[in-house]
Amino acid sequence: EAGVAQSPRYKIIEKRQSVAFWCNPISGHATLYWYQQILGQGPKLLIQFQNNGVVDDSQLPKDRFSAERLKGVDSTLKIQPAKLEDSAVYLCASSLGAGGAYEQYFGPGTRLTVT
Amino acid sequence: SQQGEEDPQALSIQEGENATMNCSYKTSINNLQWYRQNSGRGLVHLILIRSNEREKHSGRLRVTLDTSKKSSSLLITASRAADTASYFCATDAGGAQKLVFGQGTRLTINP
Repeated sequence: EAGVAQSPRYKIIEKRQSVAFWCNPISGHATLYWYQQILGQGPKLLIQFQNNGVVDDSQLPKDRFSAERLKGVDSTLKIQPAKLEDSAVYLCASSLGAGGAYEQYFGPGTRLTVT
Repeated sequence: SQQGEEDPQALSIQEGENATMNCSYKTSINNLQWYRQNSGRGLVHLILIRSNEREKHSGRLRVTLDTSKKSSSLLITASRAADTASYFCATDAGGAQKLVFGQGTRLTINP
């Protein structure tokens, strides 16, 4: 079974520029998550989709971050404009269903450096 | 918001020894999960334990859950160099449809 795919793996941009990340979840997984992980910390949920609807985006900085899940499959996360504090690893994960009873499968992440 | 807190933040032991990590949380849960993250990689699920369970095993891993103390522990027996990683607990506080991760314990296994 193919895992969660993410691209790019690394990205370096200057502050105020824009950047987009792509995620392809495991086939058949209804729930997709985007996490932000700052060095030395645990992952912080940015947004959670159930099929193509948003379940939770309470910690998404909506003035600069946006995300969509096309046709309930692939997803993109965009930052515009980027700030220095956005430097982090952005992790995508998917699961069969929503909630703590479901194991989440993580992609390798995209390491973003904002200079 | 922080739900799970791992303790210790860092742990260094010799290969072959046992490693114990603890997780405390604030709000009642339905499920608690443990994940491992090797350097520079995504997280990998280890064990899920439900609130009505007290102990679960998976290979060299043993997880306990004490809901009265709002705490869980992860025990790795007979540690190996490949166990060097960060370990995170994650909970669904109050039955939320999401997981909240702790800050993690960085485990180093010395040869």
